[in-house]
Amino acid sequence: AQSVAQPEDQVNVAEGNPLTVKCTYSVSGNPYLFWYVQYPNRGLQFLLKYITGDNLVKGSYGFEAEFNKSQTSFHLKKPSALVSDSALYFCAVRDIGQAGTALIFGKGTTLSVSS
Amino acid sequence: SAVISQKPSRDICQRGTSLTIQCQVDSQVTMMFWYRQQPGQSLTLIATANQGSEATYESGFVIDKFPISRPNLTFSTLTVSNMSPEDSSIYLCSVVAWESYEQYFGPGTRLTVT
Repeated sequence: AQSVAQPEDQVNVAEGNPLTVKCTYSVSGNPYLFWYVQYPNRGLQFLLKYITGDNLVKGSYGFEAEFNKSQTSFHLKKPSALVSDSALYFCAVRDIGQAGTALIFGKGTTLSVSS
Repeated sequence: SAVISQKPSRDICQRGTSLTIQCQVDSQVTMMFWYRQQPGQSLTLIATANQGSEATYESGFVIDKFPISRPNLTFSTLTVSNMSPEDSSIYLCSVVAWESYEQYFGPGTRLTVT
């Protein structure tokens, strides 16, 4: 069975500092990995994905994530946090062998960036 | 990409009643998904809706409680039946884009059951 773990309920960081939101996954085969962001009272927005190729993927709003197969991780990073980055972040996974199936989501991590 | 709309955007319903949520996609898609997001929680997959066949429900969700229709390749409905306060959630419709493997979400229907 597929699963995603986001070990931190909340991450607090000061504006201008680097941020990391952690994600580990479990699939039977190779993964498709995604990060989404949800702002208060707003819908889910796609940030970035890893399908194949370079392990470091860049996405929207200056975010990036690194796929690490040996550690089964896909941590979200940003070199310099903004207050406007404060939101709820979800990591999601799909097994490559089930390309058309629904994503399985982690529980979410609330990012709080202070000024 | 796919643009998804949902109706209603929000509703407040009485215990014991039913609500039907509509999902419209601007392109033809094979599979549509329905998720539930309870307050402060993650997204939980309710069911996968294929056009022309019965929906496939995830563990913990049953057709009598969450009947789904999929009359064509751009539209689906989810009904929340015999509602209780525990059904208060955001319900989201979603589709997968085959060419990019990305999954797109509707804006959600915020349901409050009193």
